[in-house]
Amino acid sequence: NAGVTQTPKFQVLKTGQSMTLQCAQDMNHNSMYWYRQDPGMGLRLIYYSASEGTTDKGEVPNGYNVSRLNKREFSLRLESAAPSQTSVYFCASSVLGGAIEGYTFGSGTRLTVV
Amino acid sequence: SQQGEEDPQALSIQEGENATMNCSYKTSINNLQWYRQNSGRGLVHLILIRSNEREKHSGRLRVTLDTSKKSSSLLITASRAADTASYFCATGERDSNYQLIWGAGTKLIIKP
Repeated sequence: NAGVTQTPKFQVLKTGQSMTLQCAQDMNHNSMYWYRQDPGMGLRLIYYSASEGTTDKGEVPNGYNVSRLNKREFSLRLESAAPSQTSVYFCASSVLGGAIEGYTFGSGTRLTVV
Repeated sequence: SQQGEEDPQALSIQEGENATMNCSYKTSINNLQWYRQNSGRGLVHLILIRSNEREKHSGRLRVTLDTSKKSSSLLITASRAADTASYFCATGERDSNYQLIWGAGTKLIIKP
């Protein structure tokens, strides 16, 4: 029972570099999400995908892009990393909508941009 | 935007005691959810209480919701060392099925 799997777990980038965070779920969930978590703050939604083939902006989408590759996979791309993007990134999924029923979270990716 | 505000920010109690955390929010909601996050790990969904419910139980967890005061509380009874974690409340807004609004969390430490 893998649930939601995120890779990598840790990453250090230099300012201006790009990278893609990968997320996959094996629960046949329809919706998937990317959040960031910063110290002393609640989680903030970056992007979400309500169903395969759709993506929508969340609260803090600037500097990020996403791809819902298929029903299982939802990736987050940083095209030109900035120190302000240093954070812990969480992928989550839910059967329908997380705000209706709750999310299942991955274990996170700790990203440092220097 | 940060909707939920947890109180206290940190709580340290002896094993076996009860722990109570509070959450306040600002807008009308469909539901309120509580999550636990162990250090360095992802969040785990604990319990969801709908806006028309006043109290809900799950094992040693008891959640109450007072929509007139826009507040909720999470009670953990007979605490254990394994309950040491951060606890977050999150509200499901009426105009979205997908986005939760999160508080900053309460850090709970259970002393042996």
